Amino acid sequence: AQSVTQLGSHVSVSEGALVLLRCNYSSSVPPYLFWYVQYPNQGLQLLLKYTSAATLVKGINGFEAEFKKSETSFHLTKPSAHMSDAAEYFCAVSAGGNNRKLIWGLGTSLAVNP
Amino acid sequence: KAGVTQTPRYLIKTRGQQVTLSCSPISGHRSVSWYQQTPGQGLQFLFEYFSETQRNKGNFPGRFSGRQFSNSRSEMNVSTLELGDSALYLCASRVLAGTNNEQFFGPGTRLTVL
Repeated sequence: AQSVTQLGSHVSVSEGALVLLRCNYSSSVPPYLFWYVQYPNQGLQLLLKYTSAATLVKGINGFEAEFKKSETSFHLTKPSAHMSDAAEYFCAVSAGGNNRKLIWGLGTSLAVNP
Repeated sequence: KAGVTQTPRYLIKTRGQQVTLSCSPISGHRSVSWYQQTPGQGLQFLFEYFSETQRNKGNFPGRFSGRQFSNSRSEMNVSTLELGDSALYLCASRVLAGTNNEQFFGPGTRLTVL
Protein backbone atom coordinates (compact mmCIF):
# COMPACT_ATOMS: atom_id res chain seq x y z
CA ALA A 1 0.00 0.00 0.00
CA GLN A 2 1.07 3.57 -0.60
CA SER A 3 0.99 6.49 1.79
CA VAL A 4 2.25 10.06 1.90
CA THR A 5 3.26 12.20 4.85
CA GLN A 6 3.76 15.92 4.54
CA LEU A 7 5.71 17.26 7.50
CA GLY A 8 4.35 20.60 8.66
CA SER A 9 0.82 21.65 7.88
CA HIS A 10 1.90 25.30 7.89
CA VAL A 11 5.18 26.77 6.73
CA SER A 12 6.05 30.45 6.83
CA VAL A 13 9.00 32.03 5.03
CA SER A 14 10.16 35.53 4.24
CA GLU A 15 10.11 36.80 0.69
CA GLY A 16 13.41 35.87 -0.94
CA ALA A 17 14.11 33.02 1.47
CA LEU A 18 14.45 29.35 0.62
CA VAL A 19 11.25 27.35 0.44
CA LEU A 20 11.42 23.73 1.65
CA LEU A 21 8.27 21.64 1.83
CA ARG A 22 8.75 18.09 3.04
CA CYS A 23 7.15 14.94 1.68
CA ASN A 24 7.88 11.36 2.68
CA TYR A 25 6.23 8.42 1.00
CA SER A 26 5.75 4.75 1.52
CA SER A 27 5.38 2.44 -1.43
CA SER A 28 5.81 -1.28 -2.00
CA VAL A 29 6.54 -0.66 -5.69
CA PRO A 30 8.62 1.98 -7.46
CA PRO A 31 6.55 5.12 -6.97
CA TYR A 32 5.49 7.91 -9.19
CA LEU A 33 5.46 11.14 -7.18
CA PHE A 34 3.73 14.45 -7.75
CA TRP A 35 3.56 17.92 -6.28
CA TYR A 36 0.45 19.98 -6.86
CA VAL A 37 -0.31 23.57 -5.84
CA GLN A 38 -3.70 25.02 -4.98
CA TYR A 39 -4.26 28.76 -4.95
CA PRO A 40 -7.22 30.17 -3.02
CA ASN A 41 -10.56 29.33 -4.57
CA GLN A 42 -8.97 27.35 -7.36
CA GLY A 43 -8.41 23.73 -8.26
CA LEU A 44 -5.06 21.97 -8.11
CA GLN A 45 -2.30 22.53 -10.63
CA LEU A 46 0.61 20.18 -11.28
CA LEU A 47 3.97 21.65 -10.25
CA LEU A 48 6.16 18.69 -11.14
CA LYS A 49 6.27 14.91 -11.24
CA TYR A 50 8.80 12.12 -10.82
CA THR A 51 8.28 9.10 -13.03
CA SER A 52 11.53 7.13 -12.60
CA ALA A 53 13.69 9.23 -14.89
CA ALA A 54 16.00 11.90 -13.46
CA THR A 55 15.93 12.08 -9.68
CA LEU A 56 16.06 15.89 -9.69
CA VAL A 57 12.87 17.17 -11.22
CA LYS A 58 12.31 20.75 -12.27
CA GLY A 59 8.82 22.16 -12.35
CA ILE A 60 7.01 25.36 -13.02
CA ASN A 61 7.48 28.66 -11.22
CA GLY A 62 11.08 27.83 -10.22
CA PHE A 63 10.21 24.83 -8.05
CA GLU A 64 12.14 21.59 -8.05
CA ALA A 65 12.11 18.34 -6.10
CA GLU A 66 14.61 15.57 -5.57
CA PHE A 67 13.65 11.92 -5.33
CA LYS A 68 15.71 10.18 -2.65
CA LYS A 69 14.93 6.50 -2.51
CA SER A 70 17.13 5.84 0.52
CA GLU A 71 15.22 8.47 2.50
CA THR A 72 11.83 7.78 0.84
CA SER A 73 11.53 11.50 0.36
CA PHE A 74 10.46 13.89 -2.36
CA HIS A 75 10.92 17.34 -0.84
CA LEU A 76 9.91 20.45 -2.78
CA THR A 77 12.25 23.43 -2.88
CA LYS A 78 12.51 26.88 -4.36
CA PRO A 79 15.63 29.03 -3.86
CA SER A 80 13.82 32.32 -3.40
CA ALA A 81 10.21 32.68 -2.28
CA HIS A 82 7.89 35.14 -3.92
CA MET A 83 4.68 36.54 -2.50
CA SER A 84 2.75 34.78 -5.26
CA ASP A 85 3.97 31.41 -3.96
CA ALA A 86 1.57 31.62 -1.02
CA ALA A 87 -0.73 28.64 -1.54
CA GLU A 88 -1.52 25.10 -0.43
CA TYR A 89 0.90 22.43 -1.65
CA PHE A 90 0.06 18.75 -1.96
CA CYS A 91 2.33 15.79 -2.42
CA ALA A 92 0.90 12.62 -3.97
CA VAL A 93 2.13 9.13 -4.77
CA SER A 94 0.84 6.80 -7.42
CA ALA A 95 0.71 3.04 -7.08
CA GLY A 96 1.83 0.70 -9.80
CA GLY A 97 -0.44 -1.41 -11.93
CA ASN A 98 -3.19 -0.55 -14.34
CA ASN A 99 -5.47 1.22 -11.88
CA ARG A 100 -3.21 3.91 -10.54
CA LYS A 101 -4.99 5.95 -7.90
CA LEU A 102 -3.23 8.95 -6.51
CA ILE A 103 -2.68 8.84 -2.75
CA TRP A 104 -2.53 12.35 -1.31
CA GLY A 105 -0.80 14.03 1.58
CA LEU A 106 -2.79 16.37 3.79
CA GLY A 107 -1.16 19.44 2.32
CA THR A 108 1.14 22.20 3.52
CA SER A 109 0.00 25.78 3.61
CA LEU A 110 2.81 28.12 2.61
CA ALA A 111 2.75 31.72 3.82
CA VAL A 112 5.24 34.24 2.41
CA ASN A 113 5.93 37.29 4.53
CA PRO A 114 7.12 40.59 3.06
CA LYS B 1 -8.24 24.36 -25.05
CA ALA B 2 -10.85 24.87 -22.35
CA GLY B 3 -10.05 23.51 -18.90
CA VAL B 4 -12.11 21.30 -16.64
CA THR B 5 -15.37 22.97 -15.75
CA GLN B 6 -17.56 22.25 -12.76
CA THR B 7 -21.06 23.43 -12.07
CA PRO B 8 -22.33 24.85 -9.91
CA ARG B 9 -19.44 26.57 -8.17
CA TYR B 10 -21.34 27.06 -4.93
CA LEU B 11 -24.25 25.19 -3.46
CA ILE B 12 -26.16 25.39 -0.20
CA LYS B 13 -28.39 22.50 0.84
CA THR B 14 -30.06 21.29 4.01
CA ARG B 15 -29.66 17.97 5.74
CA GLY B 16 -31.58 15.15 4.11
CA GLN B 17 -31.61 16.69 0.66
CA GLN B 18 -29.75 15.33 -2.30
CA VAL B 19 -27.40 17.10 -4.67
CA THR B 20 -25.96 16.54 -8.13
CA LEU B 21 -22.67 18.05 -9.21
CA SER B 22 -21.48 18.21 -12.78
CA CYS B 23 -18.03 18.03 -14.35
CA SER B 24 -17.00 18.56 -17.96
CA PRO B 25 -13.49 17.28 -18.67
CA ILE B 26 -10.99 18.70 -21.08
CA SER B 27 -11.82 17.77 -24.64
CA GLY B 28 -10.25 14.40 -25.44
CA HIS B 29 -9.90 13.35 -21.82
CA ARG B 30 -11.76 10.14 -21.11
CA SER B 31 -11.03 9.70 -17.42
CA VAL B 32 -12.76 11.70 -14.71
CA SER B 33 -11.99 11.45 -11.00
CA TRP B 34 -13.84 13.00 -8.09
CA TYR B 35 -12.35 14.12 -4.78
CA GLN B 36 -13.72 15.53 -1.57
CA GLN B 37 -11.54 18.16 0.07
CA THR B 38 -11.98 19.21 3.69
CA PRO B 39 -9.58 21.07 6.00
CA GLY B 40 -9.14 18.16 8.36
CA GLN B 41 -9.04 15.26 5.91
CA GLY B 42 -7.30 16.76 2.92
CA LEU B 43 -8.11 15.26 -0.47
CA GLN B 44 -10.16 12.11 -0.30
CA PHE B 45 -10.65 10.06 -3.46
CA LEU B 46 -14.28 9.30 -4.27
CA PHE B 47 -14.21 7.46 -7.59
CA GLU B 48 -12.84 7.44 -11.10
CA TYR B 49 -14.72 6.85 -14.32
CA PHE B 50 -13.35 5.88 -17.69
CA SER B 51 -15.46 5.20 -20.75
CA GLU B 52 -18.64 5.32 -18.69
CA THR B 53 -17.36 2.64 -16.29
CA GLN B 54 -16.30 3.12 -12.70
CA ARG B 55 -12.65 2.05 -12.54
CA ASN B 56 -11.76 2.91 -8.95
CA LYS B 57 -13.69 3.69 -5.82
CA GLY B 58 -12.70 5.25 -2.54
CA ASN B 59 -14.03 4.51 0.93
CA PHE B 60 -17.22 6.52 0.92
CA PRO B 61 -20.73 5.34 1.80
CA GLY B 62 -23.22 4.39 -0.85
CA ARG B 63 -24.87 7.80 -0.55
CA PHE B 64 -22.11 8.99 -2.85
CA SER B 65 -22.53 7.85 -6.42
CA GLY B 66 -21.48 8.94 -9.85
CA ARG B 67 -21.80 8.28 -13.50
CA GLN B 68 -20.14 9.19 -16.75
CA PHE B 69 -21.81 9.89 -20.05
CA SER B 70 -20.70 8.96 -23.54
CA ASN B 71 -19.25 12.45 -24.05
CA SER B 72 -17.07 11.88 -20.92
CA ARG B 73 -19.00 14.42 -18.85
CA SER B 74 -19.54 13.16 -15.34
CA GLU B 75 -22.00 13.76 -12.56
CA MET B 76 -21.69 13.04 -8.88
CA ASN B 77 -24.71 12.59 -6.65
CA VAL B 78 -24.95 12.69 -2.89
CA SER B 79 -28.21 11.58 -1.32
CA THR B 80 -29.49 12.20 2.19
CA LEU B 81 -27.00 14.96 2.85
CA GLU B 82 -25.29 15.18 6.23
CA LEU B 83 -23.55 18.14 7.83
CA GLY B 84 -20.22 16.36 7.37
CA ASP B 85 -20.69 16.39 3.61
CA SER B 86 -19.86 20.08 3.56
CA ALA B 87 -16.69 20.27 1.51
CA LEU B 88 -15.07 21.33 -1.72
CA TYR B 89 -15.71 18.70 -4.37
CA LEU B 90 -13.04 18.57 -7.02
CA CYS B 91 -13.18 16.91 -10.38
CA ALA B 92 -10.05 15.99 -12.34
CA SER B 93 -9.66 14.68 -15.85
CA ARG B 94 -6.85 12.98 -17.71
CA VAL B 95 -6.39 11.42 -21.08
CA LEU B 96 -6.48 7.77 -20.05
CA ALA B 97 -7.11 5.83 -16.90
CA GLY B 98 -4.43 3.37 -15.81
CA THR B 99 -1.57 5.70 -16.66
CA ASN B 100 0.43 8.18 -14.69
CA ASN B 101 -0.18 11.14 -16.88
CA GLU B 102 -1.20 14.40 -15.35
CA GLN B 103 -4.59 15.04 -13.82
CA PHE B 104 -6.15 18.40 -14.60
CA PHE B 105 -8.39 19.81 -11.92
CA GLY B 106 -11.46 21.96 -12.13
CA PRO B 107 -12.08 24.83 -9.70
CA GLY B 108 -14.39 22.74 -7.56
CA THR B 109 -17.92 22.97 -6.22
CA ARG B 110 -18.21 24.33 -2.70
CA LEU B 111 -21.07 22.46 -0.99
CA THR B 112 -22.44 23.73 2.29
CA VAL B 113 -24.93 21.57 4.17
CA LEU B 114 -27.00 23.37 6.80
